[in-house]
Amino acid sequence: QVQLVESGGGVVQPGGSLRLSCAASGFPFSSYGMHWVRQAPGKGLEWVAFITYDGSDKRYADFVKGRFTISRDNSKNTVYVQMNSLRAEDTAVYYCAKAREQWVVRDMDVWGQGTTVTVSS
Amino acid sequence: QSALTQPASVSGSPGQSITISCTGTSSDVGGYKFVSWYQQHPGKAPKLMIYDVTNRPSGVSNRFFGSKSGNTASLTISGLQAEDEADYFCSSYTSSGLWVFGGGTKLTVL
Repeated sequence: QVQLVESGGGVVQPGGSLRLSCAASGFPFSSYGMHWVRQAPGKGLEWVAFITYDGSDKRYADFVKGRFTISRDNSKNTVYVQMNSLRAEDTAVYYCAKAREQWVVRDMDVWGQGTTVTVSS
Repeated sequence: QSALTQPASVSGSPGQSITISCTGTSSDVGGYKFVSWYQQHPGKAPKLMIYDVTNRPSGVSNRFFGSKSGNTASLTISGLQAEDEADYFCSSYTSSGLWVFGGGTKLTVL
């Protein structure tokens, strides 16, 4: 079955950096685009970034552009998000999610369980 | 990109039907068929319930129905059950090539 396992969350000071990972299994990872979505405590979902199946196209929400970088390693079935210049408002559970269809830009179907990022001094 | 507008809460009794609206603009909901709905129980990951406005993934009950008119998409749940109590989020692809979510609706089954 499709499984997505996020890791790398933790507590970081404002201005700091963190890299989140999402290990995928149960589907042909190299054929699917991948998303990162976050959820601040008690708040709604917020789309963060998307990467195409081959990494040739990367898209970002305005509020993370220039600070976050999405990447993937198809040999390791893993997608990453490098988060720099972190702010208190970046505190959230970060989910990775698989695109719904192979090869094309699509929304999310299967989600991981999330990893928690806390930005605090 | 502004979040899509959803009611903060809706409620219904078991067996009844409820509808959750999701209002955007012609640059997102109104301009594309790529509207999805997600169900999220407390402490759990979101689950896809509807995609492409009206389609149900395999395994999702046919009590869940999606529709769209103009810039507003809707999720209707018929025959409410206790297990339907959850938060529901809509999302849409946008003209900027990005995605936007609604603020979420808390469904209470009375």
